[in-house]
Amino acid sequence: DAGVTQSPTHLIKTRGQQVTLRCSPKSGHDTVSWYQQALGQGPQFIFQYYEEEERQRGNFPDRFSGHQFPNYSSELNVNALLLGDSALYLCASSLVGGGRYEQYFGPGTRLTVT
Amino acid sequence: AQKVTQAQTEISVVEKEDVTLDCVYETRDTTYYLFWYKQPPSGELVFLIRRNSFDEQNEISGRYSWNFQKSTSSFNFTITASQVVDSAVYFCALSELSTDSWGKFQFGAGTQVVVTP
Repeated sequence: DAGVTQSPTHLIKTRGQQVTLRCSPKSGHDTVSWYQQALGQGPQFIFQYYEEEERQRGNFPDRFSGHQFPNYSSELNVNALLLGDSALYLCASSLVGGGRYEQYFGPGTRLTVT
Repeated sequence: AQKVTQAQTEISVVEKEDVTLDCVYETRDTTYYLFWYKQPPSGELVFLIRRNSFDEQNEISGRYSWNFQKSTSSFNFTITASQVVDSAVYFCALSELSTDSWGKFQFGAGTQVVVTP
């Protein structure tokens, strides 16, 4: 049973560019959440997708957008990259209404903005 | 608004010593889940334990145990007989349980645990 997978593992971008990160949830999960973890800090919630719609959003600007596909996989897009966007981006999946209240995280994508 | 505080930045112990990590939380919801995750240098967050707000029974799972006290809003975590492989950053997290809130985890800043042989 595959867990949460993310691609790419590492990414280097230049300030002002755009980036797309990808996530496949754990088998059987229908909800995907994205987190940003700056160096030395705890993960910060960006947004959550369920039934192909954004259901919750944290305090992140509109430069951060996402999408969920019918197969529950998800993308995180960041436009007009800033140096401060350099971080580990974590994807997490869970099952709404499953009663288990578990959330599993992927290995992350480390984004460096130069 | 939710808030999770891990006051300990780093804890260093010698192998076989016990390690207790503190976590204090704030939430206005009456139903919520609390979690502990481990993050080794590889970066992946590994789920360790969870506890819901309506069950204050404390448990032990292998070398892990936890002490949930709703009256003081604390959810402390203990590793018994620590091993070098326990070296990692440990995060406490909270998620409210309403349908629209589930999955929006509020994490603490993390506690670095260093276990030396």
